[in-house]
Amino acid sequence: DAEITQSPRHKITETGRQVTLACHQTWNHNNMFWYRQDLGHGLRLIHYSYGVQDTNKGEVSDGYSVSRSNTEDLPLTLESAASSQTSVYFCASSDSLAGVITDTQYFGPGTRLTVL
Amino acid sequence: ELKVEQNPLFLSMQEGKNYTIYCNYSTTSDRLYWYRQDPGKSLESLFVLLSNGAVKQEGRLMASLDTKARLSTLHITAAVHDLSATYFCAVDWDNYGQNFVFGPGTRLSVLP
Repeated sequence: DAEITQSPRHKITETGRQVTLACHQTWNHNNMFWYRQDLGHGLRLIHYSYGVQDTNKGEVSDGYSVSRSNTEDLPLTLESAASSQTSVYFCASSDSLAGVITDTQYFGPGTRLTVL
Repeated sequence: ELKVEQNPLFLSMQEGKNYTIYCNYSTTSDRLYWYRQDPGKSLESLFVLLSNGAVKQEGRLMASLDTKARLSTLHITAAVHDLSATYFCAVDWDNYGQNFVFGPGTRLSVLP
């Protein structure tokens, strides 16, 4: 069955370290998204991509970067981790047909990141 | 800036009762999505509403969209304990792609 996976599921790191969170989907979806979920803020969009080599900033992109070299993967990198980036991170993907997006976004299981 | 509000934020109800969760948003959009999240889990898609007047039903849940009022409702009929979860609405405001703004969520507890 097609799916979307994230790794690691849990990560503890130190302030200032570079961290990369992986997201892999096997649906062959064009669109991929990264969100963070925090108490009191709900889900907020970090970065998104509508296809290979396409990346866009979301609402809370400062301190994060992404790259899309193939359809299946959208890794999220924290360049220099900060305690404010402690959160649960969700990756999502969706499909588009003839440029029209009508489908929902399908979410991965999440990565819980703690920055000490 | 698009704002999405939900009310109530917390809802405690007894089994067998009916209730409605409201999702209001501040800009024009005709694409709205509902998700369910269980504690410590990911988001599960419930409904996709893509036009004014759209109504979708699944089991004890029914969702509707009024784009003129910028309002979506999620109606719960004869609640059961298994419906206890947090429910999010998400509005897609991007005409050229897909760009969600999520509401804060409604935490529902269904008590026996």
